[in-house]
Amino acid sequence: GAVVSQHPSRVICKSGTSVKIECRSLDFQATTMFWYRQFPKQSLMLMATSNEGSKATYEQGVEKDKFLINHASLTLSTLTVTSAHPEDSSFYICSARGYRGHPGELFFGEGSRLTVL
Amino acid sequence: KNQVEQSPQSLIILEGKNCTLQCNYTVSPFSNLRWYKQDTGRGPVSLTIMTFSENTKSNGRYTATLDADTKQSSLHITASQLSDSASYICVVRYTGGGNKLTFGTGTQLKVEL
Repeated sequence: GAVVSQHPSRVICKSGTSVKIECRSLDFQATTMFWYRQFPKQSLMLMATSNEGSKATYEQGVEKDKFLINHASLTLSTLTVTSAHPEDSSFYICSARGYRGHPGELFFGEGSRLTVL
Repeated sequence: KNQVEQSPQSLIILEGKNCTLQCNYTVSPFSNLRWYKQDTGRGPVSLTIMTFSENTKSNGRYTATLDADTKQSSLHITASQLSDSASYICVVRYTGGGNKLTFGTGTQLKVEL
């Protein structure tokens, strides 16, 4: 079964609204979570690294005020796309690194498809 | 610059046939190499993780090889099934700069009847 859960799996919103995506690690504590976005037929692009209890580290070119990340607990990280626009439409995936199985192994969520109209 | 290149970009094979996917990387210093399977619209699922000292690792019908000297890896799929149709992504982890991952662009495999 899934060890990392993402919600919602699909979301459609109007331009200008904000959307929150949740990423939960199931039955293990994730000290670090990662957020990616993926465009069609392209690989995953790391957006930010989220450490529990501290500010997220964003990759170059990713607007921290646009993509708000909160990692309030060892099992939950959230990504909020603020004032979404059509160009933000993408597949957003989170991953969690913990100690379940191979030390430091990365487990991915199922992804969240965001469509901004 | 750390890069991971995969080939072929896409591949179509008949059910029951074998295939081999390639991954070349320039990542340094190397930590480990992972192969993931990503179904359309889903998150990646780990197939294998290989460290510097491992040459071959199998997971069912999937066998990954690693040549750390030439910085090449391959993923061999035997007796392919329709459910193997997916994108296969090679990911290399390096120890410099905070243990980051470098993702390949993937090989899109389609298995047909």
